[in-house]
This record gives sequence, structure tokens and C-alpha cells, in this order.
Amino acid sequence: AQSVTQLDSQVPVFEEAPVELRCNYSSSVSVYLFWYVQYPNQGLQLLLKYLSGSTLVKGINGFEAEFNKSQTSFHLRKPSVHISDTAEYFCAVSMEYGNKLVFGAGTILRVKS
Amino acid sequence: GAGVSQTPSNKVTEKGKYVELRCDPISGHTALYWYRQSLGQGPEFLIYFQGTGAADDSGLPNDRFFAVRPEGSVSTLKIQRTERGDSAVYLCASSLGGRASGANVLTFGAGSRLTVL
Repeated sequence: AQSVTQLDSQVPVFEEAPVELRCNYSSSVSVYLFWYVQYPNQGLQLLLKYLSGSTLVKGINGFEAEFNKSQTSFHLRKPSVHISDTAEYFCAVSMEYGNKLVFGAGTILRVKS
Repeated sequence: GAGVSQTPSNKVTEKGKYVELRCDPISGHTALYWYRQSLGQGPEFLIYFQGTGAADDSGLPNDRFFAVRPEGSVSTLKIQRTERGDSAVYLCASSLGGRASGANVLTFGAGSRLTVL
């Protein structure tokens, strides 16, 4: 079975500063990895995904993540955040070709002016 | 439709009552998923349909929870004898299904917030 650990429940950061949201996963088989964002009172929106190929994946809104198989990590980064990036971010994993996403507990990103 | 549609967006009910939550997936998506998100937690898998059949219902917490998808499109999540602990946001998602790379990227609806008093 797969599991996901998001090490930080909340990350406060000033506007225009860089940010990294950490995600580690556990799986005995090959996986797909995802980051979703949830704005207040809205559904989950896909930010980016790793299915295969390049380990550095770029997503929407200037976010990117790097798949590190040896460290079983998929950390999310943005070089310069905006107030509008304030939201909750969820890392998720599925088995390769699998049909069920397992989510982490989420990290609330608070961008301050 | 253009996205995954869920109704109602909000439902308040009393303990012991029966509740139905509806999900209309993206047109052409053969796979449909139900998740539950409690306050302060990540979404928790409940059940997954491929077509009309429940391919994996291992996340349903007990026999008070049941879901159907009779024609392979719209799905209904049914909760009997609701309890206060059932209060959560119930999320529906759909995907293309199949085994091609990317076929199982999930698109989520906005959710149905259930409050059991």
C-alpha cells in the first residue's frame, strides 16, 4: 500500500520569497505522483503530475516539483510566491497505472505581505 | 459537461436521517471516484467505479455507506442512519480510465458539504 507524508502542516512565507513544500511517499511499486491545490471553499485543482520521463515537472502558476526516487520525495517549489498562492496544498500518490489516489494531510501555505 | 458537478453543495441533516449525494462526471470519463475530506485532513478514498461496477469499495467505512452508478455516468452516494461523525465534505472525481499513461489523472468536483446535527 502507498502512503504520503507532508512534513509541514503550515508554511508561512512573505510575498516574493521562495517556498518549498515537502512531500515524502512510501511504496513498494512504481508510482505516479501529484500535487493538488485547494483554495478556500473550492474543490481540488491539479497543479502538476509526475507520470514518467523527466524528474523535474512544471505545473501551473509557476510551481514545479522534482521526483527523487532514492529519497522517495516529491517536493513542491516556487521561486517567488504571491498573495494569491495562499491555499492548502496536497501531495498524492498512486500505483503506476493505478486507479486510487492516496493523499497526504495537506500543507497550508500562508503568504504574507 | 465541462467539469465534475456535485449536488447539493451543502446539506444539513439530523442524526439518523438518510442522505443522497449526486455526482455528474465529465462526459466520456469512464472512471468515477468518491472521497471524503474531514476538517483539517486530506481526502480519504471511499469507492471507485469503472463503468457501472464498483471496482474498489475498500474505503467505505461501514455498511451505512453505499454508492451506485447504474448507467455508467451519474453516481449517487447514499448514507443511511447518518451520524455526527459523517459530517465532512464529500468529493467526487472522474478520469478517462484505462491503462494509458495519464488516463487516471483525476478531475475533482467542488464537493458536497454534509453537516449532521
